[in-house]
Parts: sequence; structure tokens; C-alpha cells
Amino acid sequence: DAGVTQSPTHLIKTRGQQVTLRCSPKSGHDTVSWYQQALGQGPQFIFQYYEEEERQRGNFPDRFSGHQFPNYSSELNVNALLLGDSALYLCASSLGTGGEQFFGPGTRLTVL
Amino acid sequence: GENVGLHLPTLSVQEGDNSIINCAYSNSASDYFIWYKQESGKGPQFIIDIRSNMDKRQGQRVTVLLNKTVKHLSLQIAATQPGDSAVYFCAEIDVLSTGANNLFFGTGTRLTVIP
Repeated sequence: DAGVTQSPTHLIKTRGQQVTLRCSPKSGHDTVSWYQQALGQGPQFIFQYYEEEERQRGNFPDRFSGHQFPNYSSELNVNALLLGDSALYLCASSLGTGGEQFFGPGTRLTVL
Repeated sequence: GENVGLHLPTLSVQEGDNSIINCAYSNSASDYFIWYKQESGKGPQFIIDIRSNMDKRQGQRVTVLLNKTVKHLSLQIAATQPGDSAVYFCAEIDVLSTGANNLFFGTGTRLTVIP
């Protein structure tokens, strides 16, 4: 039974570029949440997808957008990258919007 | 629920001793609390949870205490082992108000176990 997987593991971009991160949920899960974890900080909630729609959103600008596919996998897109977007991006999946969340290993994004 | 914080950023303990990690939260409406362990290069891993209608919950070598009067949460690890070295986060959820399981994390405490 595969857990939550994320790709790529690491990514380096320059300011102004766009990036897409990918997440496959744990088998049987239908809900995906994304978190941003800056160095030395706790994860911060970005948004949650369920039934291919954004259901909840944290305090992040519109540059951050996402998508969920019919197979429950999800993408996080960030446009016009800023240096401050450098962080570990975590994906968590759950069964339903109220279920226990299981985290993936994250994607380390570095913006130069 | 966005102001979950921790009293101590670092904690060093001798192997075999008990560890206590503390956390303060500010949202009195939070109804569910979770402790996570995060090892280097990995995502947060669930340790133990507690609902707001409880004041204590025990797991294997871990105990979580909740004091709603002072909005304080603690994680006790018995007989701490080198494998317990990691960053520990408390997180809160306000399921009843939001209808969702969005986690609000604190900054974290780095636990170092000295052999």
C-alpha cells in the first residue's frame, strides 16, 4: 500500500518563473491538502482539494493555484515565483475533508 | 487557530530520560489536537491526537495532556530513545466551525537525545 508520493523531490527555479508540483494520495484517499513549510517553521496550510474542487484556502495569494484530477492526484502551481517562495511543499491526503491526514515527503523548492 | 506556538524551540535529553514538549494554542474553538514528529527530509508523521473533550490520552511511550483552561498542550515521551530525535509540532483543528481538517501548526521543538 503506497503512501503519499510527491514529485519532484527537489527543484530549483529563478524569480518570476512558474512551477508545478505533483502529489499522489495514499491509496483509498480522496482529499488532498497542500502546505508550505519555510525553513525552521511549521507547515502553513495553502489549500485543500476534494471532488476536484478547492474546498478550503489559507492565507496565500492567487499566485498559488491547484488542481485535482479524477484519480484524486493533485498539482500545486505557483506563478511569478519570489525568493520567499523557497520552502518545503508538503502534500497530505485524507479520506474526506475531515479525515486524518497523511503527509508525503515533500518537494524542496529553491528560488534563486 | 493560526497562533499555535511552543514554549521551547530546542530540548536536549539523556537517553532513557522522559521528555516533555509543550505547546500553547490560542483558538478556544479548536476541538482536535495532534502531535507530529518530523525527521530530517521527511514529512510530518502522526504521533498521537486528543479531542477537546479529553484531558489526557496515552499511546505507546507517549502521553498527551490538554489543559483547556490555560490553552496548553504537552507531549510526554517516556524512556526517550535516539530514534526520538526529531522536530515535534503540535497542530490544532477547528472541525466544528470549519467543517474541515485544516491543520494549524506551531513552529516546532527540536528534540535531541544524547546517548
